[in-house]
Amino acid sequence: EIVLTQSPTTTAASPGEKVTITCLASSSVSNMYWYQQKSGASPKLLIYSTSSLASGVPDRFSGSGSGTSYSLTINTMEAEDAATYYCQQWSSNPPTWTFGGGTKLELK
Amino acid sequence: EVQLVESGGGLVQPGRSMKLSCAASGFTFNNYDMAWVCQAPKKGLEWVATISYDGSSTYYRDSVKGRFTISRDNAKSTLYLQMDSLRSEDTATYYCARHQVYYGLYFDYWGQGVMVTVSS
Repeated sequence: EIVLTQSPTTTAASPGEKVTITCLASSSVSNMYWYQQKSGASPKLLIYSTSSLASGVPDRFSGSGSGTSYSLTINTMEAEDAATYYCQQWSSNPPTWTFGGGTKLELK
Repeated sequence: EVQLVESGGGLVQPGRSMKLSCAASGFTFNNYDMAWVCQAPKKGLEWVATISYDGSSTYYRDSVKGRFTISRDNAKSTLYLQMDSLRSEDTATYYCARHQVYYGLYFDYWGQGVMVTVSS
């Protein structure tokens, strides 16, 4: 089973600041998917296939990576970006879907 | 507009059963694999189970195999999760989620979630 480790666990950023969240996989994966979960709300798809923005997601968000290392970047932090972010991957044999432990991003 | 609305949660004693439902609308339900994902209080997300678009294939995380059953009624556009032999560690918010079309590699829409509390 592939394990996803996110870092940092918690971080804070000021408006306008750049934020990078990392997701490390215990084995190589083909792609990474990212979700945003605001307090008291359900998760929302943010990025699919490593670097493609989901519909309606502002272009200050971007994703990159390959192999075992992936990252989510917020180019300029905004107040509405305060949330917990999760990475996720899929394994085929048997089919399983695994999430990282989450990164809580707070507004400084 | 895609909508997923869960129901059926609440308080249940350990060892008892509970059945969750998820009513889907705004898309062609029988074209999509569907899933349940849970989140224990103040914890992260955990995939629970997935069912293929036609119900012919089901997949479960190890901790629920043999206790939980995912099913669907395409005529009613409804997803279900039958949870038997419930344990305190099953306490969580359960989200109904739609898999990405064709390959099901990720979850593109989520319901609002329903809370299940397993306690005596």
